[in-house]
Amino acid sequence: KNEVEQSPQNLTAQEGEFITINCSYSVGISALHWLQQHPGGGIVSLFMLSSGKKKHGRLIATINIQEKHSSLHITASHPRDSAVYICAVESGTSYGKLTFGQGTILTVHP
Amino acid sequence: DAEITQSPRHKITETGRQVTLACHQTWNHNNMFWYRQDLGHGLRLIHYSYGVHDTNKGEVSDGYSVSRSNTEDLPLTLESAASSQTSVYFCASTGTGGMNEQFFGPGTRLTVL
Repeated sequence: KNEVEQSPQNLTAQEGEFITINCSYSVGISALHWLQQHPGGGIVSLFMLSSGKKKHGRLIATINIQEKHSSLHITASHPRDSAVYICAVESGTSYGKLTFGQGTILTVHP
Repeated sequence: DAEITQSPRHKITETGRQVTLACHQTWNHNNMFWYRQDLGHGLRLIHYSYGVHDTNKGEVSDGYSVSRSNTEDLPLTLESAASSQTSVYFCASTGTGGMNEQFFGPGTRLTVL
């Protein structure tokens, strides 16, 4: 079993829909990262969080440390949100080393 | 603006050749990482460094080496390239300690024939 599991693996939505991507992990962590990768493109950090909730524009990330679970929400989705979303965890002693989930491929149709 | 760059962006080589992928960052970060990304495996850690002259093995380090002679650069060397090392390679950096945002390079697509 992978240390970091994401669901769903693939997600198709219509423009304007509310989207949720889930991430579960099995190890103790100091921080959880959400990353975005556009087709053929580089990887960009969206959020880093260790508790609670963070919001940036239409993106919201939440984490529940007790349940070892995080969610990434996209409100009013747009075709430009189409990308791979990757969850990664950082353990207390890893000092920046990340363990990654497999990624969720999101496609938003106009 | 600070940045992290990788070169070359694309490389085709033959089995058995030595290949070096460059990574250069101007964030003045102590922590630097090399990952490879493969379909079905996601991103996996190859080597990492927490400062000058410090190098450590990651999850998939066999066949790779790194050296850190200054803060800005962490070159990744494939000693004798194998077809199994065909992949997309990402370099990343982050500030000292943990719980800092990670900055990724644009990636290098390596094909070993």
